[in-house]
Amino acid sequence: DTAVSQTPKYLVTQMGNDKSIKCEQNLGHDTMYWYKQDSKKFLKIMFSYNNKELIINETVPNRFSPKSPDKAHLNLHINSLELGDSAVYFCASSQGPGNYYGYTFGSGTRLTVV
Amino acid sequence: GQQLNQSPQSMFIQEGEDVSMNCTSSSIFNTWLWYKQEPGEGPVLLIALYKAGELTSNGRLTAQFGITRKDSFLNISASIPSDVGIYFCAGGSTLGRLYFGRGTQLTVWP
Repeated sequence: DTAVSQTPKYLVTQMGNDKSIKCEQNLGHDTMYWYKQDSKKFLKIMFSYNNKELIINETVPNRFSPKSPDKAHLNLHINSLELGDSAVYFCASSQGPGNYYGYTFGSGTRLTVV
Repeated sequence: GQQLNQSPQSMFIQEGEDVSMNCTSSSIFNTWLWYKQEPGEGPVLLIALYKAGELTSNGRLTAQFGITRKDSFLNISASIPSDVGIYFCAGGSTLGRLYFGRGTQLTVWP
């Protein structure tokens, strides 16, 4: 049973398109996150939701919009995709904000914009 | 964002050797985490440190949370081929933010 699962695993799309990535966790955690990993493997936080409420919104273009329908799901919608959006996007979850016990990452979505 | 300096950037070692990597920061963290990432996968948590000075082991892995709260190291003893991967340190900040180092790529020769 995968703890944090993301779909799709791979996403290839053209510039200007709109796409979504979905994430689900079955760990019973209250907090979920989106991270971006660039081509040099650097990981940077983008957003966090705690119990469906947005609590972290880093300096990210507003073409990126997260949505949390319930505390087990966190989706990421990206409008007007650009070449520079190509990266691996990771979803993660933890028991609560500031609680790092069991901070778990999904296996990533590799987004390629052509 | 806060910068973490992780070194070395890469290591090439022979099976059976011990490995040491470390992370320093200009900022204080309340938590240090060490992750391992393999190709096509997400980072997997290896060790979490919650208190300054804490020394924690997980099998052949040992990590310490520096007294100044601005550094941490990870040691791997008696390396084996399956230790290959990228190791990341991460400092825990407010609201669950993790700030990551740039990773140490470990290669183990049989």
